[in-house]
Amino acid sequence: GEDVEQSLFLSVREGDSSVINCTYTDSSSTYLYWYKQEPGAGLQLLTYIFSNMDMKQDQRLTVLLNKKDKHLSLRIADTQTGDSAIYFCADQGNNDMRFGAGTRLTVKP
Amino acid sequence: DVKVTQSSRYLVKRTGEKVFLECVQDMDHENMFWYRQDPGLGLRLIYFSYDVKMKEKGDIPEGYSVSREKKERFSLILESASTNQTSMYLCASSPFDGRGYNEQFFGPGTRLTVL
Repeated sequence: GEDVEQSLFLSVREGDSSVINCTYTDSSSTYLYWYKQEPGAGLQLLTYIFSNMDMKQDQRLTVLLNKKDKHLSLRIADTQTGDSAIYFCADQGNNDMRFGAGTRLTVKP
Repeated sequence: DVKVTQSSRYLVKRTGEKVFLECVQDMDHENMFWYRQDPGLGLRLIYFSYDVKMKEKGDIPEGYSVSREKKERFSLILESASTNQTSMYLCASSPFDGRGYNEQFFGPGTRLTVL
C-alpha cells in the first residue's frame, strides 16, 4: 500500500523554528494535512494544503509541498512550549487517507 | 462546536471478553472511522463507514467488527479480545465533500488494555 513517513522525534528550544518533514508515495494525492495531537486528546486539524499548491502560510505555520519529490514539511516559527505535541502528516489519495507515525515535538524552555 | 465523543477514556478487559467501543458524533457527518494508534506505527485504519448500515474494511480489520445502525453512532466490536489488541482506539468523522476535501474530526480516544 501507499506509505507516509515522518521522523518520530524532534526537540527544539523555545523561540526557535521547528521543521517537521514528511514523505509520501501516493501520486494521486489531492489534499495533504497536518494534524496535532496534544497529550490525552484526539487529533485536531492544524492546516492542510491542496496538491496544486506549493506553499501555504497561516500565522506561525508554513506548509511547503514538493510534489515532484512527494515531500511535505511543516514549519512552526517562534516555537512555544504549548506547541509540544505529536504532529501527524496525512495524505489523501483517491481512495483513502493515510497517516504517518507522528513526530513528537518537544520544546525546551 | 463540533463534537465526537467516545464512550470510555480507559477500559480494562480480560482475554476472550467481547468488547464494545462506542462513538457518537453530533455533526450529521456521513463518514465515520475507527483507527488504532500504536507508538511508532501511527494511526491504522480498522474500519470505516460512509453511510448508515454501510461498512468497509480498512488496513487491519482482523479481530474486529463494526456496526452503524444510526448516522450518528459507529460502534467497534472486539468479538474475543486478545492482548495484542491493547491499544489506543480513535474514532473520527467527516462530512461528504464533493471537492474531495476530507477533514476528519477525532474523538479523545479510548485506551484499551486487555489482560
